[in-house]
Amino acid sequence: EAGVTQFPSHSVIEKGQTVTLRCDPISGHDNLYWYRRVMGKEIKFLLHFVKESKQDESGMPNNRFLAERTGGTYSTLKVQPAELEDSGVYFCASSQLVQGDTEAFFGQGTRLTVV
Amino acid sequence: GQNIDQPTEMTATEGAIVQINCTYQTSGFNGLFWYQQHAGEAPTFLSYNVLDGLEEKGRFSSFLSRSKGYSYLLLKELQMKDSASYLCAVSGQAGTALIFGKGTTLSVSS
Repeated sequence: EAGVTQFPSHSVIEKGQTVTLRCDPISGHDNLYWYRRVMGKEIKFLLHFVKESKQDESGMPNNRFLAERTGGTYSTLKVQPAELEDSGVYFCASSQLVQGDTEAFFGQGTRLTVV
Repeated sequence: GQNIDQPTEMTATEGAIVQINCTYQTSGFNGLFWYQQHAGEAPTFLSYNVLDGLEEKGRFSSFLSRSKGYSYLLLKELQMKDSASYLCAVSGQAGTALIFGKGTTLSVSS
C-alpha cells in the first residue's frame, strides 16, 4: 500500500513567486493535516481537513497560504506570494477518521527554500 | 500556552540503553505519541500512550505520567540504525493536530 506522498520533494523559488505543494494521503484516510518545520524549530500545525472540509485552520500563518482538498482526496497548499520566512519543510500527514486518537502517517515533506 | 521539552541531543553506544525524556505543558491532553525520523525521511510512528504506565514494543518502550506531565522513550540494545531524531508529540484533543517538541537527535556509535 502506498504511503503518504508529497510533491515536489524540494522547491527553490524567489521571493514574490507562487508555489503549490501537493499531498496525496493514504487511500481511505479522511483526516489530512499540514505541518511545517522551520529550521531550528519544532514541527508546527498548519491546517486539518476532514474529507474536503477544513476542520481547523488556526495554524495558517496568514492569508498568503491557501489549502484545498477538492473531492476529499489529495490536497494542495499554495503560498502566494512567497516570503523568505516561508522557507522550511512542509509535512503532510493522514489518518483514519475514528473515535479517539490514531496513528498519523507522514509524508517525507517538501523542502521549500525562498530566496 | 503549549510547551513540550525534550533534550536536543543525546549520544550512546551500540548495545546500550538510552532514555529520552519529554515534559509537556499543554492546554489539553488526550494522549502522547513518539515518532522516529531519519534525516530526510518521513516521521514514523513508534508508540502511543493514553494511560499512565509503560507500553512495551520490542526494543522500544514508552512511559507516561499524566499527573507529572512527563513521558520517556526507552530504547534497548541500541543499533546504529537507531541514530535518528525522536519526536515527542501531544494530542490535545482526540483526532486533532499534534503538538510537537523540537525533537531529540540520537547518535549511536560503535
